[in-house]
Formats: sequence, C-alpha cells, structure tokens
Amino acid sequence: SQTIHQWPATLVQPVGSPLSLECTVEGTSNPNLYWYRQAAGRGLQLLFYSVGIGQISSEVPQNLSASRPQDRQFILSSKKLLLSDSGFYLCAWSVPGLAGGLFEPIISYEQYFGPGTRLTVT
Amino acid sequence: LAKTTQPISMDSYEGQEVNITCSHNNIATNDYITWYQQFPSQGPRFIIQGYKTKVTNEVASLFIPADRKSSTLSLPRVSLSDTAVYYCLVGISGSARQLTFGSGTQLTVLP
Repeated sequence: SQTIHQWPATLVQPVGSPLSLECTVEGTSNPNLYWYRQAAGRGLQLLFYSVGIGQISSEVPQNLSASRPQDRQFILSSKKLLLSDSGFYLCAWSVPGLAGGLFEPIISYEQYFGPGTRLTVT
Repeated sequence: LAKTTQPISMDSYEGQEVNITCSHNNIATNDYITWYQQFPSQGPRFIIQGYKTKVTNEVASLFIPADRKSSTLSLPRVSLSDTAVYYCLVGISGSARQLTFGSGTQLTVLP
C-alpha cells in the first residue's frame, strides 16, 4: 500500500531563518506531488505541484521554493522565513494521468495527504 | 476559475442523515467533483469523487445534477466521529493550476 511521510511534525523557527520540509511517498511510482499551506481556520492553498523529477509549477508568488530531486521526494524550502509563512504545511500525492477514456479525458483530483508540518515563525 | 461555495457550518445529531451542498458554477466540462474530510491538525482525507449522476461508496453518497453546477455530499447516519470540516474540490480544466480548496463546511455532530 502507499504511504506518505512528512517531517518534521512541528517546527518553530525565527524570522529570517531558512526552512526545509521533506515529503516522501512509498508504494507508488511517478506520482504527482503537491505542497499546500493552510492558515489557521482557513482552507488549503496550493503552493507547488510536480508531475515529475525536476518539474515544479508554482501557484503563488512568495519566498518559498520547491524541489523534486527524486521521483518520490518533494522538498519545500525557504532562504529567509517571514512571519506570514506560519501555517500548517501539507504534502499530497495523486496518481498521474487522467481518469476516463481516451476521447473523454476526465481530470481526477483524488489526492492523498501526509500528516502535515505545523510551522510557527516567531 | 472554478470557485466553490459551501455553507460555513452545519449541526446535526447522531443517527441523522447529513447533506452538504457545494456550488460550482464555473466547473469545467471534464472535471471530477471531489470531496474531502479533515480533522483538526490532520491532512484531508479523500471521501468520494464523481463526474455526474450519483456515486456511492462505503462512506458516503454524492449526488450531481445534470448541469453539474452543484453537488451534494450525503453522509448516512452520522456519528460523533464525523465531526470535521468537509471540502468540495473542483479543478479547472486540464491543469492542477488553481486547485484551491474552499473554506469548507464545519459539520458538528451532537449527541
């Protein structure tokens, strides 16, 4: 079965410090990978997604970056954290490709989420 | 942008059926409608997904009218453990871009 790991579970960092959050997926190959952020009491905001090694799409301009050095590894980084970077960071994966038939492609967004990292920037 | 609109909160009692409706007027022709459940301090959990008509699994049912501009998640006989936030998710055609969860519906199940 597939599993997704994130670490650390919680993190307290001062403003201006660097950040590195790691996500790994087991039991599947070539997954689509996603980084989301969730502010307190809010919905999830898609930050980055990746369809393959080295292929990163950014959805929100910010001081964060993402990398995918291996097929099942997704890393979220920052060189200098801001107070506004505080939040709950979630990694997710989905099966690549489309559901449905060849002539009627249907986009499936069945994603599987990791346990998350609670980041507090002080 | 396929924006979704859901009620902010709902209350129910144990054993009742709960229906949560999501509006998505700008849904693209080839998008699924997906629902997630989230407990505090956990990642969302996939519940059910559908394209049109009705879909049922061991957890819930999903009703989608012909115009697909809304969808209704139905939870049969809820229990206290179903207290959570429920999100509907609709993607924009052909891309993971603008995949945004709305604020969700906080369902509170009362004894």
